Amino acid sequence: DTGVSQDPRHKITKRGQNVTFRCDPISEHNRLYWYRQTLGQGPEFLTYFQNEAQLEKSRLLSDRFSAERPKGSFSTLEIQRTEQGDSAMYLCATKSAGRNNEQFFGPGTRLTVL
Amino acid sequence: GQQLNQSPQSMFIQEGEDVSMNCTSSSIFNTWLWYKQDPGEGPVLLIALYKAGELTSNGRLTAQFGITRKDSFLNISASIPSDVGIYFCAGPWETSGSRLTFGEGTQLTVNP
Repeated sequence: DTGVSQDPRHKITKRGQNVTFRCDPISEHNRLYWYRQTLGQGPEFLTYFQNEAQLEKSRLLSDRFSAERPKGSFSTLEIQRTEQGDSAMYLCATKSAGRNNEQFFGPGTRLTVL
Repeated sequence: GQQLNQSPQSMFIQEGEDVSMNCTSSSIFNTWLWYKQDPGEGPVLLIALYKAGELTSNGRLTAQFGITRKDSFLNISASIPSDVGIYFCAGPWETSGSRLTFGEGTQLTVNP
């Protein structure tokens, strides 16, 4: 399978714990995006990378959230001191270099904070 | 602020019927994308539109990029049960680089 993969698919954690999600992009895609989706809503942009550089962060990305893409390939999204409001689907999307805007999504990580 | 509205919010149709949904934005889009999302999965790209007035088909799906660049519609012809899911329009605002803004989604139910 050469699509975008995410791990884990589901995560249940207790409030206050830290969690980390991983995204593996389509191999030739240099841009990687993180989105968050709550029930009944469309995905909302969190941050994106071009290669290893984090180029933009949404105001939704509080200081408890951090994302990395150290070698310009896979990316991790960490949430520290999780809150119940962090419960959502976290989606990763990637796109190739160039002028088109087609982003391809992974299956997502469903986070439940108890 | 910038707004992206998608309608209808939900549709209940019989198998074999045609379906139409649309999105309107308060600002110009350079690209319109249509995605379908199944429960517990990520959105899957159906159609991408890049030019005002463009009409593009993908099987039973047809989408158009409005000439004002502020609207788009998606039509599904001869619906089948596997068309069930949530359909989203999305695109980057002209001033927002490549990050996508999504509509609220249209939940489609197809009765066999």
